[in-house]
Amino acid sequence: GAVVSQHPSRVICKSGTSVKIECRSLDFQATTMFWYRQFPKQSLMLMATSNEGSKATYEQGVEKDKFLINHASLTLSTLTVTSAHPEDSSFYICSALLANTGELFFGEGSRLTVL
Amino acid sequence: DQQVKQNSPSLSVQEGRISILNCDYTNSMFDYFLWYKKYPAEGPTFLISISSIKDKNEDGRFTVFLNKSAKHLSLHIVPSQPGDSAVYFCAAFGKNQGGKLIFGQGTELSVKP
Repeated sequence: GAVVSQHPSRVICKSGTSVKIECRSLDFQATTMFWYRQFPKQSLMLMATSNEGSKATYEQGVEKDKFLINHASLTLSTLTVTSAHPEDSSFYICSALLANTGELFFGEGSRLTVL
Repeated sequence: DQQVKQNSPSLSVQEGRISILNCDYTNSMFDYFLWYKKYPAEGPTFLISISSIKDKNEDGRFTVFLNKSAKHLSLHIVPSQPGDSAVYFCAAFGKNQGGKLIFGQGTELSVKP
């Protein structure tokens, strides 16, 4: 079946640094990818919709200058958390849309810890 | 505005018995409903889905029921196994929303041996 891979799975960084998380669709092309964030014991919150070759669409309340999303190719979307702070510590998950079936496939998630 | 709600944050069931996880929604325009299972520190994995034109879908031990008039769906796991212990999310989307999934808050299922 279709596979979506995220890298890195875990990252620890100092406050003020920027962190990039990659989301790759390994065996299919995804014109649309989604980025989610999950706080402990809470639901997956959609942060933004990433469309290949165009600007991402951010959900209300998500800072686009804080969470930079780039979808430069049909198999790769990146999320960059700029000037990370401890409150950005969270579990970030991407998903990729298989357009011809409408199925969504999720990455394994990336746990960010900001010290 | 929470369009998809799972009002039970946790559920504990004995091994071999039935687990019933519930989900309510408010948007009558949703076309599909899905259940995902999530272990700690992992991404969610797809479990089962149901189209809004159906009222039941079964896959092995998992059955999803949809009651459109009540805007309610449920996931039944029979028989429950300790390996089923995880957080279960229901999710919904409409075709005109480009695959954007709206998730419930999740229910943590614990199946005790």
